[in-house]
This record gives sequence, structure tokens and C-alpha cells, in this order.
Amino acid sequence: AQSVSQHNHHVILSEAASLELGCNYSYGGTVNLFWYVQYPGQHLQLLLKYFSGDPLVKGIKGFEAEFIKSKFSFNLRKPSVQWSDTAEYFCAVIPPGGGNKLTFGTGTQLKVEL
Amino acid sequence: DGGITQSPKYLFRKEGQNVTLSCEQNLNHDAMYWYRQDPGQGLRLIYYSQIVNDFQKGDIAEGYSVSREKKESFPLTVTSAQKNPTAFYLCASRTGSQETQYFGPGTRLLVL
Repeated sequence: AQSVSQHNHHVILSEAASLELGCNYSYGGTVNLFWYVQYPGQHLQLLLKYFSGDPLVKGIKGFEAEFIKSKFSFNLRKPSVQWSDTAEYFCAVIPPGGGNKLTFGTGTQLKVEL
Repeated sequence: DGGITQSPKYLFRKEGQNVTLSCEQNLNHDAMYWYRQDPGQGLRLIYYSQIVNDFQKGDIAEGYSVSREKKESFPLTVTSAQKNPTAFYLCASRTGSQETQYFGPGTRLLVL
């Protein structure tokens, strides 16, 4: 079945470490790509999105993601994480002809230790 | 103060009971969505509505029902046919054809 895959389910990093969370999708054609974050006790909120144009997308709080079409990937990166980045991160895709319906990955729980 | 509100924050359901989760938005968004979040499974789409008086099933609609009588409201009923209702339920809304979905704070449903 076509899907969105996040291979890292739990990630633990020390403050100031670099972060890369993987996201792969299995849809052909043009897709719209998103990363959402859910901080403890807070709403799910948008970090960044890619529809077209520059494949390197910058989002809020120093996050960025790179769309690599040949690899069907949209990995999330941050050069130096902070304790406040502890949260669950979700990759999501609107597939071709998806009618604006988001398909989510299973999420990655990030814990940043002091 | 614009946004999406969901109530209640916690909801308890007895066996065989139908319960309704509220979702209201004052963002003037056309489309609204209901998702279910389970640990380790991400978010899965239950129902969505692109315009008033119209809605479609998502990936896991069995045991749920919705209505969209007003643009700002999209209530979700969890029926007794839903055998595993314990989950975190998220409502979202969107305007435009390629715009972001905005999420409410969620309702946690527990079975007594």
C-alpha cells in the first residue's frame, strides 16, 4: 500500500547535537509535503511545508527539510537541538489526486536531554 | 481570537453508548477534518467535509458518523459500533486548495 514512512520511532539526543529525522513516501507524481510537531500538551502545529520550488525549505524554530524527488524523501533537519525541541514529529503527504487529504507517518518521538 | 476549539477535553464512554465530540472553528475555513491518533500509528483520517452539507469517509470511518450543517461546526459521533474507541481525536480545518491544515487541541476519549 502507498504510504508515508518514518523509520525513527524514538530518538534521544543531547542538547546541541544535530538532528535528522527521516521521511519517505511511496507515491508517484506530484506531492505536497509537510512536517508537523506536537509539543507535550500542545496543539499539533506546522513546522514547514513544500509544494513546489526550492527543494530546501526553511521552517520555524530553525528547522529545515530537503525534498529529494529521486529518493522520495523529505527529511527534517536542525543543526543544533534544544531541550525545548522535545516533542513528537510527524511527516505528512498530500498524494497526487489526494483531494487535500493528509496522509501521516507514524511519528517520531524526540527527547532532548540536557 | 481565531482558532479551532474542541470539547470536551476528556470524554468517558460507557459500553454501548454513543458520544459526540464537538469541533468549532471561527477561521471561516471551508474544509474540516477528523483524525484519530493512536500511539505509534500517527494520525488516521476518519471523515472530512469540503463544504457545508457534504462530507466523505476517510480511511477509518466505520463506527463513526458526522454532520456539517454549519460552516463553523463539524461534530463527530462515536457510535456503539466502534469497538475500540479509546484514542485522541483531532479536528482540523483548511481553506483554499493548497493551504495548511490547522489543528484543534484534541479530545481524549476513554471507555469506562
